[in-house]
Amino acid sequence: QVQLVESGGGVVQPGGSLRLSCGVSAVTFSSYAMHWIRQAPGKGLEWVALIWYEGDIAHYGDSVRGRFTISRDNSKNTLYLQMNSLKLEDTAVYYCAKDLLGWGAFDIWGQGTMVTVSS
Amino acid sequence: EIVLTQSPGTLSLSPGERATLSCRASQTVRSTNLAWYQQRPGQAPRLVIYGASSRATGIPARFSGSGSGTDFTLTISKLEPEDFAVYYCQHYVSSARYTFGQGTKLEIK
Repeated sequence: QVQLVESGGGVVQPGGSLRLSCGVSAVTFSSYAMHWIRQAPGKGLEWVALIWYEGDIAHYGDSVRGRFTISRDNSKNTLYLQMNSLKLEDTAVYYCAKDLLGWGAFDIWGQGTMVTVSS
Repeated sequence: EIVLTQSPGTLSLSPGERATLSCRASQTVRSTNLAWYQQRPGQAPRLVIYGASSRATGIPARFSGSGSGTDFTLTISKLEPEDFAVYYCQHYVSSARYTFGQGTKLEIK
C-alpha cells in the first residue's frame, strides 16, 4: 500500500516562503500524477496543484498560481510545494494526494502538514 | 466554473438508519469524474466513491453512489458508528479544474 508523509509546515510571516515535502513509499512513484490539496481551519477542501509523472507538466488553482510551484524528484520519491509570497489566507493544512489515473479523483492522502501565515 | 452544492449541510441520524447525501452541480458533469470523500475529525479525507458509483478499495458495501447529469447521491444503507463524519463530493474537468462541494456533516442523533 502506498503511503504519503508530508513535512515542512510551520509558522511564517506574510510575504514569506516555505517549502513542503511529501515522501512517497512506492516503487512506482514516477507512474503517479500527484496533487496538493489544502484545508483552511474549519473549512472545506481546496485543490492547489497537480504535477504529471515526469514533472514536465503542472497546473495550479487560481488562488495560488504565480506564487506556488509544485515539483517532484522521482529519484527520491518526493513531491514538493514551494510557497512564496504567502498570504494570511494561505493558512491551512496541506495534504499531498495521489491521482487515481483516469478518474480525476484522489485515492491516497497523506496525514497533512499545517501552514500558518501570521504576523 | 462548475459549482457543487451539497445538501443538507448537516444530517442527524441514528446508527442503523439510512443516510442519503446529495450533491448538485451547477451544470451537467461527466459521471466518470464525480467522487465522494469521507473525513473524520482530525483525519485526512478518504476516497469513498469514484466514477459516481464505484467503491474505492476497502470501502464497505453499505456505501453506494448514484446519479448523473447534475444530481448525484451518496447512500449509506445502514449507519455504523464510524460512518459519522463530513462527506465531500468532488468533480474534475479537463484543463485541471478540480472542485469540491462544501461538505455535509453526518452526525449522531
